[in-house]
Amino acid sequence: QSVLTQPPSTSGTPGQEVTISCSGSSSNFARITVNWYQQLPGTAPKLVINNNNQRPAGVPDRFSGSKSGTSATLAISGLQSEDEGDYYCQVWDDSLNGPVFGGGTKLTVL
Amino acid sequence: EVQLLESGGGSVQPGGSLRLSCAASGFTFSSYAMSWVRQAPGKGLEWVSAISGSGGNTFHADSVKGRFTISRDNSKNTLHLQMDSLRAEDTAVYYCAKGDHGGYGWGLLTDWGRGALVTVSS
Repeated sequence: QSVLTQPPSTSGTPGQEVTISCSGSSSNFARITVNWYQQLPGTAPKLVINNNNQRPAGVPDRFSGSKSGTSATLAISGLQSEDEGDYYCQVWDDSLNGPVFGGGTKLTVL
Repeated sequence: EVQLLESGGGSVQPGGSLRLSCAASGFTFSSYAMSWVRQAPGKGLEWVSAISGSGGNTFHADSVKGRFTISRDNSKNTLHLQMDSLRAEDTAVYYCAKGDHGGYGWGLLTDWGRGALVTVSS
């Protein structure tokens, strides 16, 4: 089963760029695509990056994604207070026949 | 605009049953796989169950296999999750989520409902 590792927390000041990493332990991580979800306090998750680096309609271009080898990264530039929340990476797991999520990273805007 | 509205949450004793529903609108429901994802209090996201657009294929996480059953009524644009033999560890907010296509489309969850809280406690 794929295990995704994210840092528990990160922080930044308004206007800064922050990055959130997602490391995969599965041998096939390099061949699969990564999605990212944002969960603002008290709300449902929202897709912000799909297929490693694609932004769904309506997601600001301050959000970007990349993937290299066994690690993926979500970058948020021009940090705003409303970006504060939890961020989850997710991949498909063949053994599960379903999606598996990272543990989540809590982003604090100082 | 895609809308997903969960209902049926509540409190139940261990060993009891509950049925969640998710009313969908704003898209051709039968063309998309659907999924349930849960979040225990203060914890991360856990995929629970999924169903293909036609309803012909269903999958469940090991943690709920044999106890939970996902189903859909495409004539009513509604997704269901029948939860039996509930345990304290099933306590969570349950989200209904739309996949990105009709087959095994639950690998990418494009839209989410607001969630329904299920509390299992004596």
